[in-house]
Amino acid sequence: QQQVKQSPQSLIVQKGGISIINCAYENTAFDYFPWYQQFPGKGPALLIAIRPDVSEKKEGRFTISFNKSAKQFSLHIMDSQPGDSATYFCAASETSGGYQKVTFGIGTKLQVIP
Amino acid sequence: EAQVTQNPRYLITVTGKKLTVTCSQNMNHEYMSWYRQDPGLGLRQIYYSMNVEVTDKGDVPEGYKVSRKEKRNFPLILESPSPNQTSLYFCASSLRLARNNEQFFGPGTRLTVL
Repeated sequence: QQQVKQSPQSLIVQKGGISIINCAYENTAFDYFPWYQQFPGKGPALLIAIRPDVSEKKEGRFTISFNKSAKQFSLHIMDSQPGDSATYFCAASETSGGYQKVTFGIGTKLQVIP
Repeated sequence: EAQVTQNPRYLITVTGKKLTVTCSQNMNHEYMSWYRQDPGLGLRQIYYSMNVEVTDKGDVPEGYKVSRKEKRNFPLILESPSPNQTSLYFCASSLRLARNNEQFFGPGTRLTVL
C-alpha cells in the first residue's frame, strides 16, 4: 500500500510549458515534504522541500503547492526546459520511533521536448 | 568533493553467490541508508543506520544484511542473492536525524541476479 501516491508516472511537456506532478498522502504524521530529481545514471538529488505550515514554496522555476486539508502537494515546473527531463520523486517524512522515516512516491518520468 | 560513493556500479551474478556492495561517504554524516529502486515501485528503504553499530530494518529488509563498523562505510550484503533482488540500489547519507536534513545519494549500483 503506497503511503505516498504520485501521478502521473510519465509526462511529456513541450519546451516552455508547465509541468505538473501531483502527490497525495494519508498519514497526518508526515511533517516534511521534499522533492528529489534524478537524472539518468545518477542518484536522486534534493530539488526543493516544504513544511506543512506553508502553502507554497518557490525556488526559481520550481514551485511546490501544498494543501494540508486535502493532504495533497504538487510540483510545478514553469517554462520547462529539455534539461529538466528527469525522474521526479515526491517524498514525505515523519519522525517515528526516534528516527526520520522518509517514504517516496513511485516517481514521474518527465520528458521535455523541444 | 563531498560525495557518496558506491562500488561496484554494475554487477551481474548468479543465484546464491554472496556479494557485497560497498558504500562510503566523506561528509562525516551520522545517518546512512540503503534503498532499492524498481519500476512502478519507486525507492524503497532496505536498511538504515543512525550511527556506528546502530542499524535497523527498513521496509524491505528480507534477503539483505548491513553493518556499520565505521562512520563512513555502510556495506550492503546479499548472502544468497535471488533473481527478485535484481534492482538498482542506492546508498544515501544525511548529517543527522532531523526532519529537514537533506539525503545525499550515491550514483547507484545496478545488480542483475541470474
